[in-house]
Amino acid sequence: DTEVTQTPKHLVMGMTNKKSLKCEQHMGHRAMYWYKQKAKKPPELMFVYSYEKLSINESVPSRFSPECPNSSLLNLHLHALQPEDSALYLCASSHVDRVVGQPQHFGDGTRLSIL
Amino acid sequence: GNSVTQMEGPVTLSEEAFLTINCTYTATGYPSLFWYVQYPGEGLQLLLKATKADDKGSNKGFEATYRKETTSFHLEKGSVQVSDSAVYFCALRLTGANSKLTFGKGITLSVRP
Repeated sequence: DTEVTQTPKHLVMGMTNKKSLKCEQHMGHRAMYWYKQKAKKPPELMFVYSYEKLSINESVPSRFSPECPNSSLLNLHLHALQPEDSALYLCASSHVDRVVGQPQHFGDGTRLSIL
Repeated sequence: GNSVTQMEGPVTLSEEAFLTINCTYTATGYPSLFWYVQYPGEGLQLLLKATKADDKGSNKGFEATYRKETTSFHLEKGSVQVSDSAVYFCALRLTGANSKLTFGKGITLSVRP
């Protein structure tokens, strides 16, 4: 059982649609992450939020728009996506890294397909 | 920069065989090391971790020892089960604000009954 919950589990959308991915954790973590994972590849970091503020944007196209409304929630707003954006989108959370060895805890992901 | 190198896969073993998955790293500082496992259709789960030299992480029969002299963190299990079939990722993270998790390429393990 994962302590990071992502919804929806699957999403199919057209290139002109607007949709949102949601992530929730109740472990008291103040760092939250979005990753993109293609088949048979490791996750690629997209965004990092620390204390609800965006701290890292890995040069992600503006058609992906993250939002952190509070310390437990993380959203990823999607608009005008391309077929190459089809992937598994993973959310993760962790304690802010002032203590050595803080692991990131991952959700099960949203499998996104762009038609 | 920081990087993690994993042995090439996939790996196929018979049930109860001994497993070793190699992982070596380069880092600009003193990293913490992790093994994550991804079962089909799921996200990544933390399998084990080690935070300093000679630490041994262990979980579910898996073990890995942080070897600073060889910059390695090889994963071992004495007797694999069919349920261990998954993708295994070695990763490192440096301590500090906004430090990223650097993953290896991952290796697929298939265990035959």
